[in-house]
Amino acid sequence: ELKVEQNPLFLSMQEGKNYTIYCNYSTTSDRLYWYRQDPGKSLESLFVLLSNGAVKQEGRLMASLDTKARLSTLHITAAVHDLSATYFCAVIFQGGSEKLVFGKGTKLTVNP
Amino acid sequence: DTEVTQTPKHLVMGMTNKKSLKCEQHMGHRAMYWYKQKAKKPPELMFVYSYEKLSINESVPSRFSPECPNSSLLNLHLHALQPEDSALYLCASSQEQHRASTGELFFGEGSRLTVL
Repeated sequence: ELKVEQNPLFLSMQEGKNYTIYCNYSTTSDRLYWYRQDPGKSLESLFVLLSNGAVKQEGRLMASLDTKARLSTLHITAAVHDLSATYFCAVIFQGGSEKLVFGKGTKLTVNP
Repeated sequence: DTEVTQTPKHLVMGMTNKKSLKCEQHMGHRAMYWYKQKAKKPPELMFVYSYEKLSINESVPSRFSPECPNSSLLNLHLHALQPEDSALYLCASSQEQHRASTGELFFGEGSRLTVL
């Protein structure tokens, strides 16, 4: 069964702190995506990670991919309130039916 | 233009009604998708069209009927829905169906459907 697991599912942190969200997946993949969703809104593409060792940064967010460990991380540096949202990782499985499988999402709340 | 446009934004319908959700993109993308998202859950894939042909149907009940009139448009026809079908319906598009491109999906704002 194809599984994408995120942890934590809920994260409450103080402004200015650092934290990491983890995304594990169950079988071989070379494509991983991170999306952000604000309440009642659509999904915004944050990062596209296409190869082992890929690292991308945008502002206070940095994403990485380790295909051998089947692990991606989303690191938050010096969090600010505007980062409060739900973050999803999603994976396309090699040799599969070209479906994008989402993790359950991590709801991030950044407190002043 | 990097937008995927969905209409209507909100829809309330009875169980005997027939309605349609519409999606449009002008990015030249050749793959289009319908996802269903319940509250506090991840999006679930319903249908994928690639080059205007249905390529994936995730065993969706026949009360949902997709249609792709051309490469820019995607419709979802709704008939005899149940209250449990109430959800946010998201349309997305990508350059190709994943394998031949980065596979990045661009999502519309969604249509929030309430079935009474």
